[in-house]
Amino acid sequence: NAGVTQTPKFQVLKTGQSMTLQCAQDMNHNSMYWYRQDPGMGLRLIYYSASEGTTDKGEVPNGYNVSRLNKREFSLRLESAAPSQTSVYFCASSDDPRGGYTFGSGTRLTVV
Amino acid sequence: LAKTTQPISMDSYEGQEVNITCSHNNIATNDYITWYQQFPSQGPRFIIQGYKTKVTNEVASLFIPADRKSSTLSLPRVSLSDTAVYYCLVGLYGGSQGNLIFGKGTKLSVKP
Repeated sequence: NAGVTQTPKFQVLKTGQSMTLQCAQDMNHNSMYWYRQDPGMGLRLIYYSASEGTTDKGEVPNGYNVSRLNKREFSLRLESAAPSQTSVYFCASSDDPRGGYTFGSGTRLTVV
Repeated sequence: LAKTTQPISMDSYEGQEVNITCSHNNIATNDYITWYQQFPSQGPRFIIQGYKTKVTNEVASLFIPADRKSSTLSLPRVSLSDTAVYYCLVGLYGGSQGNLIFGKGTKLSVKP
């Protein structure tokens, strides 16, 4: 009964490096999301995938790309990391369009 | 988009009832209201969801007035373990899930 699993939990990157954050859910949910959380800013939506095969931009998509690999997996890629992308990243999944999400435990990313 | 406004922080003592209010003046007819709890270094956790009047579960109660322009999360007899950040989310049922925007949250501190 894992729910939403994110890897890695911690990562330090140098400016300009690339990396992919992985997310997988085992609840057979159709929708998946990537959020970032910064101090005093709450949770901001980066990208989401309403169903397998579709992705859409959220509130803060610049500098990121996503891939909905299959129904279970939704990855977030930083092609050229910048210090402004230092944040905690949360993946979530849902089958409740009213706003009921299950979140992962997060990835803490530092870009130096 | 249904924006939400919450107090930045609140203080309470163990055993007291805590009420956290969220304003959502431009809530749409089909929107639901969902509250989440987040502990440090964890992802947000679903607490309660409602559409109108009152909803109660084993953790909290949610009060929604007739005009639905605000909602109040009520935590009965809080303990130290209720210290967390609480987010309200207004969901667009049947619409784009990219329109689900989290507010900045209310940091609740419970003191002994």
